[in-house]
Amino acid sequence: DTEVTQTPKHLVMGMTNKKSLKCEQHMGHRAMYWYKQKAKKPPELMFVYSYEKLSINESVPSRFSPECPNSSLLNLHLHALQPEDSALYLCASSQDLSAANYGYTFGSGTRLTVV
Amino acid sequence: DAKTTQPPSMDCAEGRAANLPCNHSTISGNEYVYWYRQIHSQGPQYIIHGLKNNETNEMASLIITEDRKSSTLILPHATLRDTAVYYCIVRVNNFNKFYFGSGTKLNVKP
Repeated sequence: DTEVTQTPKHLVMGMTNKKSLKCEQHMGHRAMYWYKQKAKKPPELMFVYSYEKLSINESVPSRFSPECPNSSLLNLHLHALQPEDSALYLCASSQDLSAANYGYTFGSGTRLTVV
Repeated sequence: DAKTTQPPSMDCAEGRAANLPCNHSTISGNEYVYWYRQIHSQGPQYIIHGLKNNETNEMASLIITEDRKSSTLILPHATLRDTAVYYCIVRVNNFNKFYFGSGTKLNVKP
């Protein structure tokens, strides 16, 4: 299995809702990442997990709450989002943080619309 | 991370070679150059990477200048399905971040 699987593919939520995005990989990768991508912009790094521990938070608002329950799974919990948070949310994984000779594998993303 | 500079867009005729340049003049000795592409609203797809030497795989070739301050991604025979945004990224060893630059929108035309 050489894929990163993200669910759901599309999500519409109200500003008072609580929802979660899910990301799964079975490549034995020990680093996982969340990116946010607005239309016609490059992906922006949000969070980095290494060996199931949060390594980097790129000053992301607390309405986004990441969780890494095990080495294969990464969640992004969403609460009280704003319409400007509507974007494509991408998950990625890599072998580990120290190996620059190994790239990232990206999922196909979750298209989030906040109404 | 070293920053990268790419032209915002390029056109290429179908069947011809597409040469996409990237400037990374502040690159350090231990930073790898990666190329990814993103077809509309899909996740970024890995193409190729290198450190000093030129590299080739089934998708593309990567030419890195001797001073490592710039590189060129070559798609030898572009097809319509190669229309995408191409990102050049540099990644330092022992560092957690993988930052995307603005990318080049490649338009392959019949």
